[in-house]
Amino acid sequence: DIVLTQSPGTLSLSPGERATLSCRASQSVTTSYLAWYQQRPGQAPRLLIYGASSRATGIPDRFSGSGSGTDFTLTINKLEPEDFAVYYCQLYGPSFPRWTFGQGTKVEIK
Amino acid sequence: QVQLHQWGAGLLKPSETLSLTCAVNGASFSGYYWSWIRQSPGKGLEWLGEINHGGYTKYNPSLKSRVIISLDTTKNQFSLKLSSVTAADTAVYFCARAEVGMIDSWGLGTLVTVSS
Repeated sequence: DIVLTQSPGTLSLSPGERATLSCRASQSVTTSYLAWYQQRPGQAPRLLIYGASSRATGIPDRFSGSGSGTDFTLTINKLEPEDFAVYYCQLYGPSFPRWTFGQGTKVEIK
Repeated sequence: QVQLHQWGAGLLKPSETLSLTCAVNGASFSGYYWSWIRQSPGKGLEWLGEINHGGYTKYNPSLKSRVIISLDTTKNQFSLKLSSVTAADTAVYFCARAEVGMIDSWGLGTLVTVSS
């Protein structure tokens, strides 16, 4: 099975700063199958990015995704107060397992 | 705008069967995978299984012998049953709508606690 490793575990930043989150796959993956989610406390995850770089409906353009192969990045420009949350990368598998998640990166207020 | 409303028992004893239902509003079942995902502090987000509009199911191999997902198109609902629960099954359970490459809609989640 492919393993997704996210880093760092926690990112301490101030509002207005840029956040750079990493997701590394244990083997090369299909770019169109890589997604990013945001999860605020007590809420369900929310789709941010799919296909590694396409923003989901209603997602502000300060969120951007990039990468290919085994290395993917989620960038959040000019952090807003509502952006402090946990972010997960996720991989779709046509066979098994269907969905693989990274362990998450927490973006916290410094 | 699809909405997923989920419900079910939140407190179970070991060996009982977990049962959750998810009602789908604003979307048809066709073209999507209707999924169950759980989240626990120890194991993070874990995909449990899915069903498509034709009733075809796929399950996480680690749970395959205990999990059943079913679909009731007349009620626009799909359901999860997980048998022989233990404390390790304590988690927040989400129903979700998925398609290739993304999960675009989630239920609010149901906390299920297994305790004697």
